[in-house]
Amino acid sequence: ETGVTQTPRHLVMGMTNKKSLKCEQHLGHNAMYWYKQSAKKPLELMFVYNFKEQTENNSVPSRFSPECPNSSHLFLHLHTLQPEDSALYLCASSQADYGYTFGSGTRLTVV
Amino acid sequence: LAKTTQPISMDSYEGQEVNITCSHNNIATNDYITWYQQFPSQGPRFIIQGYKTKVTNEVASLFIPADRKSSTLSLPRVSLSDTAVYYCLVGEYNFNKFYFGSGTKLNVKP
Repeated sequence: ETGVTQTPRHLVMGMTNKKSLKCEQHLGHNAMYWYKQSAKKPLELMFVYNFKEQTENNSVPSRFSPECPNSSHLFLHLHTLQPEDSALYLCASSQADYGYTFGSGTRLTVV
Repeated sequence: LAKTTQPISMDSYEGQEVNITCSHNNIATNDYITWYQQFPSQGPRFIIQGYKTKVTNEVASLFIPADRKSSTLSLPRVSLSDTAVYYCLVGEYNFNKFYFGSGTKLNVKP
């Protein structure tokens, strides 16, 4: 365990479904992130939260909706996704001038 | 944002030292250089971070020349379990925005 916990580990959903990914960290970090990793592609930064405030939305489609209720929890709400949204979704956290701590990710398959 | 360039892949044998070089010609004054390791279907794991000269920890060494336009990750005596993708990132943590490149896929052979 890295200290960043993501649930569920695997998720299969239909294009009309609504689901949520959860990320939790108890490392005392003040920044949290969502990254998307598609097959054979670099990690793509999606959202950044600093002290619960969203500071970055990297042109992500509105069918992805993040929520950060406190500095320890981060959600990614999903609705009406497309098959091309199938990917590994990674959550990370960080504190000041130090590296990211990543979770193990959620493997999402949209059918 | 400082862009990084790394070799796409490298092969090595167990017990060898591996050096992976990353180019970052437009690195900014406040940027740090950070390296991550990623195994399939897992999140990247922090390896080492530096600003200039040389940094060493229990896992690797990071060499940064005076002009900071490149950096080299050195893995001593690699084993099969070091087979992974290695990413070089450059940025300033205060802005909390780091972008990953394509990374270097290291294949360690017996």
